[in-house]
Amino acid sequence: AQSVTQLGSHVSVSEGALVLLRCNYSSSVPPYLFWYVQYPNQGLQLLLKYTSAATLVKGINGFEAEFKKSETSFHLTKPSAHMSDAAEYFCAVSGRANSKLTFGKGITLSVRP
Amino acid sequence: GAGVSQSPSNKVTEKGKDVELRCDPISGHTALYWYRQSLGQGLEFLIYFQGNSAPDKSGLPSDRFSAERTGGSVSTLTIQRTQQEDSAVYLCASSSTGGEQFFGPGTRLTVL
Repeated sequence: AQSVTQLGSHVSVSEGALVLLRCNYSSSVPPYLFWYVQYPNQGLQLLLKYTSAATLVKGINGFEAEFKKSETSFHLTKPSAHMSDAAEYFCAVSGRANSKLTFGKGITLSVRP
Repeated sequence: GAGVSQSPSNKVTEKGKDVELRCDPISGHTALYWYRQSLGQGLEFLIYFQGNSAPDKSGLPSDRFSAERTGGSVSTLTIQRTQQEDSAVYLCASSSTGGEQFFGPGTRLTVL
């Protein structure tokens, strides 16, 4: 079984500041990990995924995440926030490829001018 | 190319009525998933189809929920005797073998 914890429901940063969104997972098998972004009234878009290759994963829009097995974490970062990054972000885990995703509760990112 | 499409985009129904939600996956994708997104429960898995295999129905919340996938393509999620707690956004996703899941825009269901 898998689960995901995203602490907090809302993060606010200034434009140009570092973005850090935390994700911790639990999995009984080596996990596949994902970050998705959801803009208002839209579906989910994949930002990046970890599938047991490199532990530092680079995604779209300048985001990256690092898989840390010892900490069971997969935190999402971006060096410099843009106004267009304001959205809801979901971390998800699955036990294998082509398998159902278990999502965290999501974090809303706000970017202040 | 075309992404995952869902219809209708919005559905308002009365308690006790049946509803059907449709998903058109990306052409050639063998796997299709339904999820539900609600304020109280977040994003929840409902059902998963993979090729000709028996679907994984482990996420369906009650026997009022059912889904089928015809010809390995289009899928319909049916909710019978809708209840107010069924109000949510229903998301469909599809993927190729071993690939990422691509999500549709969702159907917002409101049960009055």
